[in-house]
Amino acid sequence: AQSVTQPDIHITVSEGASLELRCNYSYGATPYLFWYVQSPGQGLQLLLKYFSGDTLVQGIKGFEAEFKRSQSSFNLRKPSVHWSDAAEYFCAVGGQAGTALIFGKGTTLSVSS
Amino acid sequence: DAGVIQSPRHEVTEMGQEVTLRCKPISGHNSLFWYRQTMMRGLELLIYFNNNVPIDDSGMPEDRFSAKMPNASFSTLKIQPSEPRDSAVYFCASSLTRDAEAFFGQGTRLTVV
Repeated sequence: AQSVTQPDIHITVSEGASLELRCNYSYGATPYLFWYVQSPGQGLQLLLKYFSGDTLVQGIKGFEAEFKRSQSSFNLRKPSVHWSDAAEYFCAVGGQAGTALIFGKGTTLSVSS
Repeated sequence: DAGVIQSPRHEVTEMGQEVTLRCKPISGHNSLFWYRQTMMRGLELLIYFNNNVPIDDSGMPEDRFSAKMPNASFSTLKIQPSEPRDSAVYFCASSLTRDAEAFFGQGTRLTVV
């Protein structure tokens, strides 16, 4: 069965510290992988995506993610967190274009000063 | 492009009433998705359309829910009759056939009292 697991429900990071949000997936074929961010009361905004090629992908707002097929993981990283990064982050997996994305339950990021 | 447009943004209705949520996808996108977001269950796919045809409606909770896409620029999600447990944020998203990236609307926050 296709699924996405985000093991951390809530993470608190100090402003300026590095961040890593974990994502593991189960998918029967070559996956397309995504990270979305959701601010309170807003829709989901795409941070980055992986379809193929270089396994380290760069996204908006200074985020990056690394696809590790052997570990079925697609962890999101940022070297220095800003207070404005506080939000909920969702990992998603999909396959053929036009099929629906499957989302993880999300990780809430809090940033302390 | 204005992005995916959903209406209304907020809806409060009484139990037993009919509720209709509306979505205008991004022009040129061939796939449309309806998701429901709750604290308990996260983001759940309800139904998705490809070229206006429903492809997978296995996520629709029960017969009280129905969705239509009469043309490429409009979709509705209807709940009749509504129940308090239907209270959630409902998101519409669209994507290009060739690209699995989904673009989300701002969502409709439904409260059934």
